[in-house]
Amino acid sequence: DAGVIQSPRHEVTEMGQEVTLRCKPISGHDYLFWYRQTMMRGLELLIYFNNNVPIDDSGMPEDRFSAKMPNASFSTLKIQPSEPRDSAVYFCASSAPGARSPLHFGNGTRLTVT
Amino acid sequence: AQSVAQPEDQVNVAEGNPLTVKCTYSVSGNPYLFWYVQYPNRGLQFLLKYITGDNLVKGSYGFEAEFNKSQTSFHLKKPSALVSDSALYYCAVRDIEGKSTFGDGTTLTVKP
Repeated sequence: DAGVIQSPRHEVTEMGQEVTLRCKPISGHDYLFWYRQTMMRGLELLIYFNNNVPIDDSGMPEDRFSAKMPNASFSTLKIQPSEPRDSAVYFCASSAPGARSPLHFGNGTRLTVT
Repeated sequence: AQSVAQPEDQVNVAEGNPLTVKCTYSVSGNPYLFWYVQYPNRGLQFLLKYITGDNLVKGSYGFEAEFNKSQTSFHLKKPSALVSDSALYYCAVRDIEGKSTFGDGTTLTVKP
């Protein structure tokens, strides 16, 4: 099992550019989560999906952020346009069916917006 | 709305001594509680969970956690700390719909 795969590991971009982060969950998992980690705000839940359907996107900061899950094996988080305050580590996590299952995290994408 | 509180930003212990990392929670209904560990430049890794049953649950690397319903707490413990246990620890609660909320994390430092 390769675990949750995120790409890229690092992304440096200029303010105003579009950024797309990618995630491949573990096969058979039906929950997928996007989190953002910063020193100031800790680990924030942005959005989560169940069976490819967004369940709760109340943590998405603003309209510049969007997330999709077109199929069970792929999800994207897009920021357009990016701003310096978006700089953070973005984690994707997946879990097996049922709320009793633990989350499995990818190694994250470190985003720097200059 | 569910929430998790980790009252200590930092915990320092000497190697060989017992350690405790504190966590309290708030959730509607029965809680599903989890502890995770994060090492530098890595994602969070699952340590242990409480779903139901025995209040003392055992997990990876010799860690255990005690669930206390009346105090709404789920403290992480280890009888004898190792330097390699130094890391960032997160407590999390998950509701019946699957939403997972994390505390702010506690940095554990074990000194030789």
